[in-house]
Amino acid sequence: DAKTTQPTSMDCAEGRAANLPCNHSTISGNEYVYWYRQIHSQGPQYIIHGLKNNETNEMASLIITEDRKSSTLILPHATLRDTAVYYCIPFYQLIWGAGTKLIIKP
Amino acid sequence: KAGVTQTPRYLIKTRGQQVTLSCSPISGHRSVSWYQQTPGQGLQFLFEYFSETQRNKGNFPGRFSGRQFSNSRSEMNVSTLELGDSALYLCASSIGRGGLYEQYFGPGTRLTVT
Repeated sequence: DAKTTQPTSMDCAEGRAANLPCNHSTISGNEYVYWYRQIHSQGPQYIIHGLKNNETNEMASLIITEDRKSSTLILPHATLRDTAVYYCIPFYQLIWGAGTKLIIKP
Repeated sequence: KAGVTQTPRYLIKTRGQQVTLSCSPISGHRSVSWYQQTPGQGLQFLFEYFSETQRNKGNFPGRFSGRQFSNSRSEMNVSTLELGDSALYLCASSIGRGGLYEQYFGPGTRLTVT
């Protein structure tokens, strides 16, 4: 199974861009990378996914390196409600990692 | 459009009993996946059902089973409950096979085994 590595925790000031990195060096060529987040005690929420090209939606942007070994999720203007655990998941990963606990500070 | 619903939301059972959890996917979604989440092990995949067939299974003992009905609703069953089965059980639905399409999660069922 493809393995991902994410920082355990990160802080970001409210209103600033939050950049969350993910290393997925063993991902295969046709495996999408998905990002989800989980706010305390709720089910995970889908954010965005991508394969090769950078992607943007109303929630975030996803930058994938050309070699596909890593990606960065960008929350352009973080708010306090963005405080959550963020998971980077390759296609069909059976065990989600611990993710990155992102804390937005006022 | 209604989201994924799970029932019951909270459940307390005794060791050795069995339990059945229910999941209703988003209308039109044909794939349902189940996950177990504990503080120590994080979020772990249990199994995925698509068109009433189990398509993928995680590394859980046979005490954990599931099924999917023709209307895509799904149930999971845990027999001979152990204290370690205490967890948040999450159900997720997607329009197609999980991994190829984004998954939408329900609020979960919090199971406590005493």
